[in-house]
Amino acid sequence: DTGVSQNPRHKITKRGQNVTFRCDPISEHNRLYWYRQTLGQGPEFLTYFQNEAQLEKSRLLSDRFSAERPKGSFSTLEIQRTEQGDSAMYLCASSSDAESTQYFGPGTRLTVL
Amino acid sequence: GEDVEQSLFLSVREGDSSVINCTYTDSSSTYLYWYKQEPGAGLQLLTYIFSNMDMKQDQRLTVLLNKKDKHLSLRIADTQTGDSAIYFCAESILGGGKLIFGQGTELSVKP
Repeated sequence: DTGVSQNPRHKITKRGQNVTFRCDPISEHNRLYWYRQTLGQGPEFLTYFQNEAQLEKSRLLSDRFSAERPKGSFSTLEIQRTEQGDSAMYLCASSSDAESTQYFGPGTRLTVL
Repeated sequence: GEDVEQSLFLSVREGDSSVINCTYTDSSSTYLYWYKQEPGAGLQLLTYIFSNMDMKQDQRLTVLLNKKDKHLSLRIADTQTGDSAIYFCAESILGGGKLIFGQGTELSVKP
């Protein structure tokens, strides 16, 4: 068990570009979560999946954001037409139905110039 | 509503006990968690407590839950310089999947 992994770890992009992040959960976990953390704040929930179904989306997830988990394993988070306000750490977590504890990955730090 | 509050800073001397406090508003919380975050890193789960428990001890960590006052605390015994980090409390809500986090308490341990 290698834990939750996220790629890339860092991404620098120019305003207006699209970016995509990937999360690989712990292998036996069927739930996957995305959070966003800005400097000096706690993580804020964005969305979560149970298997391939997206069950909840925060109102923070504007129409420029889309998340997928097509085969119920890894997930991608895409941000279109990035804005400077999108600069943050994007955290992924996973859990199982049997144990609701969420285990976090190392995060992807996005900087929008 | 859903809101979790923490004090922002705590400074202690090495070897002392640290107590980090947290208050929450949602009475339908099921589990309450403590996570640790070191600079530039993700969140490391420290411990958690089910909402029908009052106390949980795990080595140097003691969690106390006062459900009536919606108050949660984390006590770290014999605090070490390696404990310096930001500590987040979080609640999970009955029927939901997400965690609601506080803004974090920065613990500074001085030698």
